[in-house]
Amino acid sequence: EPEVTQTPSHQVTQMGQEVILRCVPISNHLYFYWYRQILGQKVEFLVSFYNNEISEKSEIFDDQFSVERPDGSNFTLKIRSTKLEDSAMYFCASSEGVGQGGEKLLFGSGTQLSVL
Amino acid sequence: EDKVVQSPLSLVVHEGDTVTLNCSYEVTNFRSLLWYKQEKKAPTFLFMLTSSGIEKKSGRLSSILDKKELSSILNITATQTGDSAIYLCAYLKTSYDKVIFGPGTSLSVIP
Repeated sequence: EPEVTQTPSHQVTQMGQEVILRCVPISNHLYFYWYRQILGQKVEFLVSFYNNEISEKSEIFDDQFSVERPDGSNFTLKIRSTKLEDSAMYFCASSEGVGQGGEKLLFGSGTQLSVL
Repeated sequence: EDKVVQSPLSLVVHEGDTVTLNCSYEVTNFRSLLWYKQEKKAPTFLFMLTSSGIEKKSGRLSSILDKKELSSILNITATQTGDSAIYLCAYLKTSYDKVIFGPGTSLSVIP
């Protein structure tokens, strides 16, 4: 069964450094999402991406965050200047979109980001 | 403001028990309600419910949506220790631009 792939599984960085989290969504999917989950807390929506542009973003997704789909397969989340509070598990998800149950989001296994 | 509420937030049962997890929502432009199971890492998909009153089943798990009451339940019969997890309820809006998760119900099944 096709899977959403995320790399790296763990990332440790110093405060103020830039990080790029990478995702390869399922190939026929059209909608792409990033979520984060701080330890012990709920899964929080960050951003959705469709047709090569952001379709929705949350208050968390400020100017320090950006997303890109540079080559038709990868989907990246960049944090420009990491803060301690960015430490969390970051999940990528994708869905087919309209009809026949295609709306369900399928998640990657996550990148655990630790900011020191 | 759109929101989703789950109850109980945590639950401890013995193997073999039947459990009912609750989800209620207040959402504009609601399209579907989704249930996920989260063990150690990523949420895994269980059910998507779009129509009211139609039960979805997968083995010992079943779920149903009540659009009049803006709620859904997830039932697990004959629970096993492997059912221990956080069960997440989420909604999808008609614009498909986001799926918002509730806080989850932490289920612990003890032998």
